[in-house]
Amino acid sequence: GEDVEQSLFLSVREGDSSVINCTYTDSSSTYLYWYKQEPGAGLQLLTYIFSNMDMKQDQRLTVLLNKKDKHLSLRIADTQTGDSAIYFCAEIPSNDYKLSFGAGTTVTVRA
Amino acid sequence: DTGVSQDPRHKITKRGQNVTFRCDPISEHNRLYWYRQTLGQGPEFLTYFQNEAQLEKSRLLSDRFSAERPKGSFSTLEIQRTEQGDSAMYLCASSSKNYEQYFGPGTRLTVT
Repeated sequence: GEDVEQSLFLSVREGDSSVINCTYTDSSSTYLYWYKQEPGAGLQLLTYIFSNMDMKQDQRLTVLLNKKDKHLSLRIADTQTGDSAIYFCAEIPSNDYKLSFGAGTTVTVRA
Repeated sequence: DTGVSQDPRHKITKRGQNVTFRCDPISEHNRLYWYRQTLGQGPEFLTYFQNEAQLEKSRLLSDRFSAERPKGSFSTLEIQRTEQGDSAMYLCASSSKNYEQYFGPGTRLTVT
């Protein structure tokens, strides 16, 4: 089974904030990631956070990490139509190099 | 600066045929990974190269699959005697550090 879990769908109005949530099970995970995939395309690395951090902000993106609850979230401020895509949460456990992905959250931005 | 490239982007083949995909990583990246993604799922790890050495193969990679990276630059993934269950998107990623993997556009394989 998957070690990374995400809700499958999110609908958000243009201009609002989106929050995508993820839970993971490997407490030894060193890095946690958010990737974006548009239809028919590969994965774009959006951002990642090291496990000793609580928060990381990069322009419209804010990543929050709660290690105690093994919960990761991605907030997209001022969501635009170009943000419509599938967002994948992923982890790399300590001493490993393989990305382990969730099933993805499909974000739909409505006007 | 070019990213990871993959060729072909789409491949339709009949069951039982052999197919080969190519991945060209970002030029200074010595690490290369293959993943497979089926519809509605996240990518799953297939294999990993550091330079020309194949260091790990997933149990998903049956003996019909073989991957090479002969000179530590581009890599090929071959599937022999394709089956309908092999239909998927095959993604290649490269990195210079294990924690930053950059993906190519993928090769979508359809086995009829």
